[in-house]
Amino acid sequence: AQSVTQLGSHVSVSEGALVLLRCNYSSSVPPYLFWYVQYPNQGLQLLLKYTTGATLVKGINGFEAEFKKSETSFHLTKPSAHMSDAAEYFCAVRTLGDYKLSFGAGTTVTVRA
Amino acid sequence: DAMVIQNPRYQVTQFGKPVTLSCSQTLNHNVMYWYQQKSSQAPKLLFHYYDKDFNNEADTPDNFQSRRPNTSFCFLDIRSPGLGDAAMYLCATSRITGAGANVLTFGAGSRLTVL
Repeated sequence: AQSVTQLGSHVSVSEGALVLLRCNYSSSVPPYLFWYVQYPNQGLQLLLKYTTGATLVKGINGFEAEFKKSETSFHLTKPSAHMSDAAEYFCAVRTLGDYKLSFGAGTTVTVRA
Repeated sequence: DAMVIQNPRYQVTQFGKPVTLSCSQTLNHNVMYWYQQKSSQAPKLLFHYYDKDFNNEADTPDNFQSRRPNTSFCFLDIRSPGLGDAAMYLCATSRITGAGANVLTFGAGSRLTVL
C-alpha cells in the first residue's frame, strides 16, 4: 500500500519569496510521484512528475521537485513566488502495476503582496 | 485541443432528486475515473473504468453509479443525493501503457449543490 503525507495544510509566502511544499510518501516499491495544482473551482493540473532517472524534476510555471529516496520525500519548490501561484497543491503517488493515484491532503498556498 | 470536458460545471438539485454528471474525452484514453472532492480535502476515488471493466472502490456508497457507453463518455449517477453528497466531482482519464507514468488528465469538475 502507498500513502502520501503533506506537511502543512496552509503556507503563506511573500511575493518573490521561496515556495517550499513538503511531501513524504510511503511505498514498498519504487514509486511514481506527482504534483498537481488546483485553482478555485477548477480541476487538477499536472505540475510535474517523477518516474525514473534524474531525481530533480522541472515542471511548469517555474516549479521543481527533488526525489530523495533515502528521505522518502518529494518536496516542491519555486525560487520566487508570484501572485498567480496562489492555489491548492496536491502531492500524489502510484506504484508500477497500480493505476490509481493516492493523493495527499493538499497544501493551500497564499501569496502576500 | 484534446481534453476532458465535464458537464454541467454547476448542478443544483434537491434532496433525493437523481442527478447525472457527464464526462467526455478526446484523448482516447482507456481508463476513466470519477473522484469526489469535498471542500479543502483531497480527491477521493469513487470508481474507475479500465476499458469496459468497472472497478468500484470498497467504500463507495451504493447511491453512486457509473456508466461508460463508449470510450469517449462516462457518466456519474447519484440516485438519491443527500446533503453529504454536495461536493466537486472530478473526472479524470489516463492511458495505461505498461511501465508508463500513467499521468491523469482531469476535467474542470462539476460542483454539486444539494438543497
